[in-house]
Amino acid sequence: GGIITQTPKFLIGQEGQKLTLKCQQNFNHDTMYWYRQDSGKGLRLIYYSITENDLQKGDLSEGYDASREKKSSFSLTVTSAQKNEMAVFLCASSPGDTGQLYFGEGSKLTVL
Amino acid sequence: GEQVEQLPSSLIVQEGASVLINCSYTDSASVYFPWYKQEPGKRLQFIIDIRSNMERKQTQRLTLLFDKKTKHLSLHITATQPGDSAIYFCSASRGGGSNAKLTFGKGTKLSVKS
Repeated sequence: GGIITQTPKFLIGQEGQKLTLKCQQNFNHDTMYWYRQDSGKGLRLIYYSITENDLQKGDLSEGYDASREKKSSFSLTVTSAQKNEMAVFLCASSPGDTGQLYFGEGSKLTVL
Repeated sequence: GEQVEQLPSSLIVQEGASVLINCSYTDSASVYFPWYKQEPGKRLQFIIDIRSNMERKQTQRLTLLFDKKTKHLSLHITATQPGDSAIYFCSASRGGGSNAKLTFGKGTKLSVKS
């Protein structure tokens, strides 16, 4: 079986700082996603990518950049961290049809 | 864009009870509806899905009902166990490829007491 690995698990940054989260998958899945999970708000889609070098904006893309340079990896950058940015960021992948998503363990961001 | 609503936001039941989680969506073009479970401290995992050409799907203690006319789904869990305690998420998408965007509800927190 495959796995999705997110790094780092915990990220602490200063307000205004540029911060990057990384995600790797070995399922050989076409589609990858970045979601933000806030308590009581569910999961909100930031970016997704249907293939290498493709980027599609989600509902919450403002303030974020993403990069899919390889099929197996998808990174997310918080361009200028804000204190209300504190959340868990979840990476996921899927086979590219309407298949189920496989999630990483999450990266918890704290902004001081 | 698509909006997915879930009710209730939380529920507490005794072990052995049955529960019903309701979900509604707004985009009539949505065709695929997977559900996920997030146990405390663990990653989200897929539990069941249904497509818009079906009305019902069952797997073990889970039954998922779909009403295309009312844009409503309901997840029925029977004979609950403490291990069922988790947050359950309903989601919806228009399909694959460039339609692979999956929109989630805010989740239903289920606590099963032994």
